[in-house]
Amino acid sequence: SQTIHQWPATLVQPVGSPLSLECTVEGTSNPNLYWYRQAAGRGLQLLFYSVGIGQISSEVPQNLSASRPQDRQFILSSKKLLLSDSGFYLCAWSVLGEASGNTIYFGEGSWLTVV
Amino acid sequence: GQNIDQPTEMTATEGAIVQINCTYQTSGFNGLFWYQQHAGEAPTFLSYNVLDGLEEKGRFSSFLSRSKGYSYLLLKELQMKDSASYLCAVADYKLSFGAGTTVTVRA
Repeated sequence: SQTIHQWPATLVQPVGSPLSLECTVEGTSNPNLYWYRQAAGRGLQLLFYSVGIGQISSEVPQNLSASRPQDRQFILSSKKLLLSDSGFYLCAWSVLGEASGNTIYFGEGSWLTVV
Repeated sequence: GQNIDQPTEMTATEGAIVQINCTYQTSGFNGLFWYQQHAGEAPTFLSYNVLDGLEEKGRFSSFLSRSKGYSYLLLKELQMKDSASYLCAVADYKLSFGAGTTVTVRA
């Protein structure tokens, strides 16, 4: 079965510091990979998605970036964090299936607090 | 782009039925999804509809009308553990989420 794991689960970072969140997927090949952010009391916002190694699409202009160095690895980064970057970050994967469409499955999430 | 609307909050009694409505506008359509999200946790997949009609999964059912841009999630025989946020999501080339409906189940 497929599993997705992301880390770290929680982190507190000062303004201006760098960020690296990592996500890996097991049990499937060539998944679509996603980074979402959920601010307090708000809906999920798609930040980046990737359909293959080295292919990144950005949905929202921001000071974050994403990379996909391997088929099942997705990394979210920032060189200098802003206070507004605080939130709940979710990595997700999907594989197009006949019965389930492009259902997205989420990792456990990473809570980021920028202070 | 997409507009997805769902109520902010709903309250119901244990054992009762609750229906969460979702309306949407989208330029392309590749399915409608419902997710459950408990406080502080990641969303988990509940249901997928791509054709009109009702999909039933145990105590949960989801309905879709593509012509009306409308879906609902029906929760039957409510249990305390069903207290959570329920997210409606619509797919065109990507999956976009509504803000979620917080359901509180009271004893």
